[in-house]
Amino acid sequence: DAMVIQNPRYQVTQFGKPVTLSCSQTLNHNVMYWYQQKSSQAPKLLFHYYDKDFNNEADTPDNFQSRRPNTSFCFLDIRSPGLGDAAMYLCATSISRSYNEQFFGPGTRLTVL
Amino acid sequence: DQQVKQNSPSLSVQEGRISILNCDYTNSMFDYFLWYKKYPAEGPTFLISISSIKDKNEDGRFTVFLNKSAKHLSLHIVPSQPGDSAVYFCAASAIENSGGYQKVTFGTGTKLQVIP
Repeated sequence: DAMVIQNPRYQVTQFGKPVTLSCSQTLNHNVMYWYQQKSSQAPKLLFHYYDKDFNNEADTPDNFQSRRPNTSFCFLDIRSPGLGDAAMYLCATSISRSYNEQFFGPGTRLTVL
Repeated sequence: DQQVKQNSPSLSVQEGRISILNCDYTNSMFDYFLWYKKYPAEGPTFLISISSIKDKNEDGRFTVFLNKSAKHLSLHIVPSQPGDSAVYFCAASAIENSGGYQKVTFGTGTKLQVIP
């Protein structure tokens, strides 16, 4: 089945220690998104890639970076995680940026100690 | 500034009855609305959507109603089944002026429990 895969499902890191979260997709979609969701809050868009074109949301902290080496993979790098970065990180894809429906992975739960 | 609001964090309904999940929005530029369903340990999955030019869209047991003047939409599930127990996210989409792409804004979700 075509899908969006996120690894690892659970990630524990230490305060200030860089961490990378991974997302892959077999849908061959052009757009890949990263969302941050804190407890009882709405998923918040951090940035997205349209093909190789990176689009950052205005309020995304500089501490968050992303890489998309090819169509299938996208990474979220947190350079110096703080306690406030503990959250669920959701990766999603869509066929195009004008297409509203997005396909989500199961998420990675990040804990910062 | 929460542009999409789901004011009921949770809802319990008896099996076979109607479930009504509500959503309010503030941005009049939203032109497309979606509902996603999320089971524990899974990502949200698309359920049903509606364009702003319509006021109703139906798909089997699921119907979404849009009231643009009130900036309100609702999801009706009839009849409700235990397998419908999940978190339901309302989402709304508008063209992002700076980027020219459709940006989706999510609500905080409503946890539905259908009691057998």
